[in-house]
Amino acid sequence: QKEVEQNSGPLSVPEGAIASLNCTYSDRGSQSFFWYRQYSGKSPELIMFIYSNGDKEDGRFTAQLNKASQYVSLLIRDSQPSDSATYLCALDNYGQNFVFGPGTRLSVLP
Amino acid sequence: DAGVTQSPTHLIKTRGQQVTLRCSPKSGHDTVSWYQQALGQGPQFIFQYYEEEERQRGNFPDRFSGHQFPNYSSELNVNALLLGDSALYLCASSPAGRTVYEQYFGPGTRLTVT
Repeated sequence: QKEVEQNSGPLSVPEGAIASLNCTYSDRGSQSFFWYRQYSGKSPELIMFIYSNGDKEDGRFTAQLNKASQYVSLLIRDSQPSDSATYLCALDNYGQNFVFGPGTRLSVLP
Repeated sequence: DAGVTQSPTHLIKTRGQQVTLRCSPKSGHDTVSWYQQALGQGPQFIFQYYEEEERQRGNFPDRFSGHQFPNYSSELNVNALLLGDSALYLCASSPAGRTVYEQYFGPGTRLTVT
């Protein structure tokens, strides 16, 4: 049974700071990892995905993957109050479906 | 280019009743997956449809069934509703033949069972 773990939070950061969201997974064979943002009462929105070890940057977002440590993270630079949401980490279960973590609630304080 | 659409937006049903939820995938996508998201939890995979066949199924009872039509749209049916079926039901679509398997979610259907 593949598992994805996240700290449920809430993680509170001041506006303009870097928010660091972390995720660990149980299946060493997992290949692709996804970060979704979900505002309260809305559906998940894909932020970015990563499948190679190292960093991947997209605007203010950077995803980091370390397969040896089974660890994925998402950094949000220059955090804004509009970034306040729940961030879901997911892994691709061999192209069949996604396994999601419980999500981390982020609060960016003005 | 329309994204994933779902209907209805909200639904209130009574225990024991049956419900049908509908999903139209994003243009160019042919694979549809359904997820159940309870309050405060991550989405849980129900099943996936591709070429009108159920390709993969999560740990959900047979009360949950589905269908995919030739135009790739899909339905989720839930029979004998329980209070615990109250959740946000999400449909996600993805294109076939991609190296990285991206899924895009629709707005969801909020089901309340009383």
